[in-house]
Amino acid sequence: LAKTTQPISMDSYEGQEVNITCSHNNIATNDYITWYQQFPSQGPRFIIQGYKTKVTNEVASLFIPADRKSSTLSLPRVSLSDTAVYYCLVGDQAAGNKLTFGGGTRVLVKP
Amino acid sequence: GAVVSQHPSWVICKSGTSVKIECRSLDFQATTMFWYRQFPKQSLMLMATSNEGSKATYEQGVEKDKFLINHASLTLSTLTVTSAHPEDSSFYICSARWRGNTDTQYFGPGTRLTVL
Repeated sequence: LAKTTQPISMDSYEGQEVNITCSHNNIATNDYITWYQQFPSQGPRFIIQGYKTKVTNEVASLFIPADRKSSTLSLPRVSLSDTAVYYCLVGDQAAGNKLTFGGGTRVLVKP
Repeated sequence: GAVVSQHPSWVICKSGTSVKIECRSLDFQATTMFWYRQFPKQSLMLMATSNEGSKATYEQGVEKDKFLINHASLTLSTLTVTSAHPEDSSFYICSARWRGNTDTQYFGPGTRLTVL
């Protein structure tokens, strides 16, 4: 079961770029990396998913090095509303792609 | 697309009663649904996995007779907390995925259960 490790918290300021790195040293060959955002008392919201190299969508970029043992979520020009907990997850293909949530990274965006 | 709803969004019940929570995939057929529980300031904990038309698979430590899961259709799964007690008070979240993309789960908004 692939386990992820991410920083507990990060502080940033409005307009800055936030980069959150996640370690997943025992990721399996077929496992994807997915990032979710969660606000208090809400369900997680899908942000981005990738397998290798770089993926970009309208809200974030995901950088995955060749060895896939880590990944970095990049949030460009954050605003106060980006204050949330961000979870990095690796789907365990061998276990039916179950997601095991770690502690996540609590991002606080300050004015 | 990929919208998952839950009903109710919050519920308060007396100790000893049963509560049913519904999870619906609104715009796709969910071949697999998952149920999670989240206590304050903690991460999500997977309770069970349910595949349409078959019995749910429960995670270790989760009582299957207490948390009854039914996934009778491709758009609906229900979680029934039987004989609820105050320690069952929590935030219950479902997620769903479809056969065409088993790598992505879409989460519902959650249901806040308070047992008095």
